[in-house]
Amino acid sequence: GQNIDQPTEMTATEGAIVQINCTYQTSGFNGLFWYQQHAGEAPTFLSYNVLDGLEEKGRFSSFLSRSKGYSYLLLKELQMKDSASYLCAVRDQVRSNYQLIWGAGTKLIIKP
Amino acid sequence: NAGVTQTPKFQVLKTGQSMTLQCAQDMNHEYMSWYRQDPGMGLRLIHYSVGAGITDQGEVPNGYNVSRSTTEDFPLRLLSAAPSQTSVYFCASRNREGSYEQYFGPGTRLTVT
Repeated sequence: GQNIDQPTEMTATEGAIVQINCTYQTSGFNGLFWYQQHAGEAPTFLSYNVLDGLEEKGRFSSFLSRSKGYSYLLLKELQMKDSASYLCAVRDQVRSNYQLIWGAGTKLIIKP
Repeated sequence: NAGVTQTPKFQVLKTGQSMTLQCAQDMNHEYMSWYRQDPGMGLRLIHYSVGAGITDQGEVPNGYNVSRSTTEDFPLRLLSAAPSQTSVYFCASRNREGSYEQYFGPGTRLTVT
């Protein structure tokens, strides 16, 4: 079947590093997205991985291993504004028009 | 650019009422989608459109209709509201080409009593 798993909630300290994991099962993998969603707001795009390896963008990095069905989002130098939910989504080429399968999201709480 | 706009931001309906959630984008995107977001669940696709005049069903289409008469607008109609449709609704758009990054509207929080 098709499924995405990510932890429900994580807590980290301001200034530290946190890694949010995402595992997926899909029949036609064609890319993985990470989105950030602050409470009461819309999701906003963070990163896109389609090949294995690490993509770095400022304080945020995203890693993909297609053979393991695994990705992680790495957040460095955590700031209070990073408190949000982080959504993992996989694009599936088997679904018509490459629809996305979404995880339930990981709520990240940053403590001073 | 305003991006993706949605109205209303909040709505309360009684069971059996109908209404239309509005969505518009000014980025000339061909692809538009409607999602619902419920606690503890991932975003679920209701309906989507790949261009003016073309719509198709997503994962959870029952109880909803859409139309796409222009590139800019993609309204979502609730035919006869039910408490199970209490949710936050997001409209999104994206380009046909490229990384397929989606741009989301601010959402409509709907409560059906």
